[in-house]
Amino acid sequence: NAGVTQTPKFQVLKTGQSMTLQCAQDMNHEYMSWYRQDPGMGLRLIHYSVGAGITDQGEVPNGYNVSRSTTEDFPLRLLSAAPSQTSVYFCASSYRGSSYNEQFFGPGTRLTVL
Amino acid sequence: KNQVEQSPQSLIILEGKNCTLQCNYTVSPFSNLRWYKQDTGRGPVSLTIMTFSENTKSNGRYTATLDADTKQSSLHITASQLSDSASYICVVSLISGGYQKVTFGTGTKLQVIP
Repeated sequence: NAGVTQTPKFQVLKTGQSMTLQCAQDMNHEYMSWYRQDPGMGLRLIHYSVGAGITDQGEVPNGYNVSRSTTEDFPLRLLSAAPSQTSVYFCASSYRGSSYNEQFFGPGTRLTVL
Repeated sequence: KNQVEQSPQSLIILEGKNCTLQCNYTVSPFSNLRWYKQDTGRGPVSLTIMTFSENTKSNGRYTATLDADTKQSSLHITASQLSDSASYICVVSLISGGYQKVTFGTGTKLQVIP
């Protein structure tokens, strides 16, 4: 199993550009989520999904869109990149949404917005 | 103020020595507490999970303790190795009827030197 994969690993954008961060998992997990990690702050939840076709907002959803058309994939779209979105983005998945289920994290995407 | 505070922010120890990392939380009602290890440039990986009824859990050289009355947890690393160099993140979960509601600490960055 590859686990949770993310692409790209690094990305530089100009303000106003859009892009999609890809996330895929091969563990047949129902629950998937996106986090951002900033210096001096804990990981913060952007969006999550409890199954194909079902998504919901997390703590910091503004400026991001998600969709979940399949169990395996959960892409994160930046609509119009801003310097405040410079961060490291992690995708995670777990068997179910309960916090008792371990979340498996991808390797991260380091995004810089100029 | 973050609901999950970790100390120290960073720590340098000699290889072979022991160390203890602290986590204080105010999240309530409490469901479970998990410790993650995050290597540089990688996603977090779960080390241990404890519910409110457990006060200690071990995973090899890692031992986590929990005092739900004082809302404190610690992670003790025995006979440290160079590979223990990483950030250690405390994650506290709320009791919720359905899905994950987790709060991440900001982490303790540990460096083990020869």
